Amino acid sequence: DAGVTQSPTHLIKTRGQQVTLRCSPKSGHDTVSWYQQALGQGPQFIFQYYEEEERQRGNFPDRFSGHQFPNYSSELNVNALLLGDSALYLCASSPGGGRNTQYFGPGTRLTVL
Amino acid sequence: GQQVMQIPQYQHVQEGEDFTTYCNSSTTLSNIQWYKQRPGGHPVFLIQLVKSGEVKKQKRLTFQFGEAKKNSSLHITATQTTDVGTYFCAGILSSNTGKLIFGQGTTLQVKP
Repeated sequence: DAGVTQSPTHLIKTRGQQVTLRCSPKSGHDTVSWYQQALGQGPQFIFQYYEEEERQRGNFPDRFSGHQFPNYSSELNVNALLLGDSALYLCASSPGGGRNTQYFGPGTRLTVL
Repeated sequence: GQQVMQIPQYQHVQEGEDFTTYCNSSTTLSNIQWYKQRPGGHPVFLIQLVKSGEVKKQKRLTFQFGEAKKNSSLHITATQTTDVGTYFCAGILSSNTGKLIFGQGTTLQVKP
């Protein structure tokens, strides 16, 4: 049983560019949440997707957007990258709408130069 | 805003000593989850506490959820070098559908 998978593992972009990160949830999970973890900090909630809709959003600008597909996989898009967007981006999946235990993927390390 | 505070930020112990990290929320939580993150890794789920006053044990780890569902603690008895990492608590608010609010984490170093 595969756990949560994310791609790519690492990514280097320059300021102003756009990036798309991908996440496949754990089998049987229908809810995907995205988090940003800056170095030395705890993960910060970006948004959560359930039934292909953004159900909840954290304090992130509109440059951060996402999508969930019918197979429950999800994408995180970040436009007009800033240096401060450099972080580990974590995807977490859970069953039944998100109140249950969330299981994290290995993350995508984004570096913005 | 909604905050989860975690202390201490760092803890260095000698192998065999005990370790405790504390988590406090400004608002009542629906449940609290604990994660461990090794250097260069991702958060790995340890446990979820739901009931007021709940205590759960996993071998040398003891987790507690406060009566008011605003605080929690993780206690490790007789630390080992394999316990090294950052321990995060993460709460879900009662009115919330799944946004985990993470504490800042406690980084544990164990000297052999």
